[in-house]
Amino acid sequence: GDSVTQMEGPVTLSEEAFLTINCTYTATGYPSLFWYVQYPGEGLQLLLKATKADDKGSNKGFEATYRKETTSFHLEKGSVQVSDSAVYFCALSDRNGNQFYFGTGTSLTVIP
Amino acid sequence: DTAVSQTPKYLVTQMGNDKSIKCEQNLGHDTMYWYKQDSKKFLKIMFSYNNKELIINETVPNRFSPKSPDKAHLNLHINSLELGDSAVYFCASSQVSGPYEQYFGPGTRLTVT
Repeated sequence: GDSVTQMEGPVTLSEEAFLTINCTYTATGYPSLFWYVQYPGEGLQLLLKATKADDKGSNKGFEATYRKETTSFHLEKGSVQVSDSAVYFCALSDRNGNQFYFGTGTSLTVIP
Repeated sequence: DTAVSQTPKYLVTQMGNDKSIKCEQNLGHDTMYWYKQDSKKFLKIMFSYNNKELIINETVPNRFSPKSPDKAHLNLHINSLELGDSAVYFCASSQVSGPYEQYFGPGTRLTVT
């Protein structure tokens, strides 16, 4: 079946460092891909999305590109801030919206 | 104007009790969900409802039952609470048309003592 695999954390970075959180997926057909962010004590918020191959989702300085050839959707940010400390989830929806899968989450801590 | 709201935010109760968590969405979405998040942040889908019909029912204990009085509400009832039910429960909703992103409520932290 469909699934999402993301890198295990926790990840600790210094402020202004470059961030990459890896996400790969397994799916039949052409899924939609998402990154969600969960700040401490809050619910999940949609960070960005991509619906077809080579699409790039971006928001708040974060980017991810839908790579069909490598079945990946890695999250990147050029310069992280302390306020980016959160748990990040990669997710997949099948093309019909019948199934939605979350990765296990990656905890990010940014230190000043 | 909160999109997906849940009440209560915190719920502390004793083993054996019955409790409910309410969820409402004002996004006009067709599908609503309940998730359980454990202490390691792992998300497990419990139920989803589409137009008042249960379309996903994962292998959760039958002590848990979703109830949807209308398209905008999906409540979660839990009978005979156990220690292992302690977790954060999230409600979410999505539109039936693509790309199907889900919108989450703020969560309800349930603690069973």
